[in-house]
Amino acid sequence: SFELTQPPSVSVSPGQTARITCSGETLPNQYVYWYQKKPGQAPVLLIRKDSERPSGIPERFSGSTSGTTVTLTISGVQAEDEADYYCQSADPSPTYVFASGTKVTV
Amino acid sequence: QKQLVESGGGVVQSGRSLRLSCAASGFIFSNYGMHWVRQAPGKGLQWVAVVSHDDSKKYYEDSVKGRFTISRDNSKNSVFLEMNNLKTEDTATYYCAKEGALDIGGMDVWGQGTTVSVSS
Repeated sequence: SFELTQPPSVSVSPGQTARITCSGETLPNQYVYWYQKKPGQAPVLLIRKDSERPSGIPERFSGSTSGTTVTLTISGVQAEDEADYYCQSADPSPTYVFASGTKVTV
Repeated sequence: QKQLVESGGGVVQSGRSLRLSCAASGFIFSNYGMHWVRQAPGKGLQWVAVVSHDDSKKYYEDSVKGRFTISRDNSKNSVFLEMNNLKTEDTATYYCAKEGALDIGGMDVWGQGTTVSVSS
C-alpha cells in the first residue's frame, strides 16, 4: 500500500492562518480528502478531490496541491476550529489510507 | 437529511465474535458503496472495509482480512460488519461512512459510531 504523512500538531492564534500538509509519494496520481474530527463527534468531510469544498463547509477551509504534498488551509481560524484533522487517499486496489492526523490548537 | 446510525457494539472477550449494524436514511442507499472506519482510543482513523453498492465487491484492510466480513442489505438500507476472532487491538469506535456522492475516493456522510471493547 502507500503512506501519508502529516505533522502531529499545529498551533495558531485566533484570526490567523493554519496550514496542514499531507505528503505522500503517490499523491500526484491520487486525490486527497480532508476530515475534521472533534472528540465524541463523527468525522466531517471538509475537502474532497484535493481542493473541492462540499456544500455547507465554511469558505475559510481550502485545499491545494503541489507535487507530492497537499495542503489544507484554514484562514481566519476560529476557536471552534480546534480539532484533529486527517487527510485520506485511495489507490486503485482499492486501499484507503488515513494519515495519522494533525491536532490543531487555537 | 442523510443519516447513518450504528449499533451492535459492546464488551467482548478476545476470540469471540460481534456483529455491527449501520442503518441509513435520507439518500438512495443502493446507489453508494459503504465503508467501516475505526478509531482506537487515543489513535487516529483507520479504514477497515468497503462494500460496493450492489454487495458484489468487498475489500479489507490487511489486519482484518479473514476475520471481518462486510455485507449489506439494500432492502433494509443497512450495512453490517461481522467481526470474528476479535483481538484486543480491535478495541475502537467503529464508524460507518457513505461513499462520496461525486466520487468514490472519499466519505461524505458518517455515523456517530459504536464502541467495541475487546478484553483479554
